[in-house]
Amino acid sequence: DTEVTQTPKHLVMGMTNKKSLKCEQHMGHRAMYWYKQKAKKPPELMFVYSYEKLSINESVPSRFSPECPNSSLLNLHLHALQPEDSALYLCASSQDNRERFFGPGTRLTVL
Amino acid sequence: SQQGEEDPQALSIQEGENATMNCSYKTSINNLQWYRQNSGRGLVHLILIRSNEREKHSGRLRVTLDTSKKSSSLLITASRAADTASYFCATDARGTGRRALTFGSGTRLQVQP
Repeated sequence: DTEVTQTPKHLVMGMTNKKSLKCEQHMGHRAMYWYKQKAKKPPELMFVYSYEKLSINESVPSRFSPECPNSSLLNLHLHALQPEDSALYLCASSQDNRERFFGPGTRLTVL
Repeated sequence: SQQGEEDPQALSIQEGENATMNCSYKTSINNLQWYRQNSGRGLVHLILIRSNEREKHSGRLRVTLDTSKKSSSLLITASRAADTASYFCATDARGTGRRALTFGSGTRLQVQP
């Protein structure tokens, strides 16, 4: 299985809602990533988990809270988001520091 | 912050023509990777070139790397309408110990049938 899956595909939420994005891979990769991508821009790294431990947090606001329950799963908990947080959220995984395998993304709209 | 800049920002060609995209970066790297993204979807890895390699081929793709100029190019030969997508270079910076692949600004390629 060489696939990274993400749910949901689309999410619309209000600024007071709490929601979670989910990511799963079964390739045995020990590094997992969250990226944020605005329209017509490159992906921007948010978080990196290595062996289920948070190794990089790129100064992301605390309204985004990552979680890695096990080596196959990665969550991103969302709370009190702002409209400017609307974007495509991409999950990726990799074995060592080679190519990233990306999921299809979650299109998030914050009203 | 973005490590790489790509040019052109947008490229429109006819089917059958070759497409060349360029990427420049700022720091020393372990490797440079190219990815493709169809509109609003996830990225797909195309090719990885190590810092000690100068050229690499994969099917219709040819990638070059010039570490002295801190630049790379991606050539797609005999383009097809299905090649229409955005293409990003991404660099793995050397010496930081970080698993932080940094993406360039991207080139939007349109292949006209």
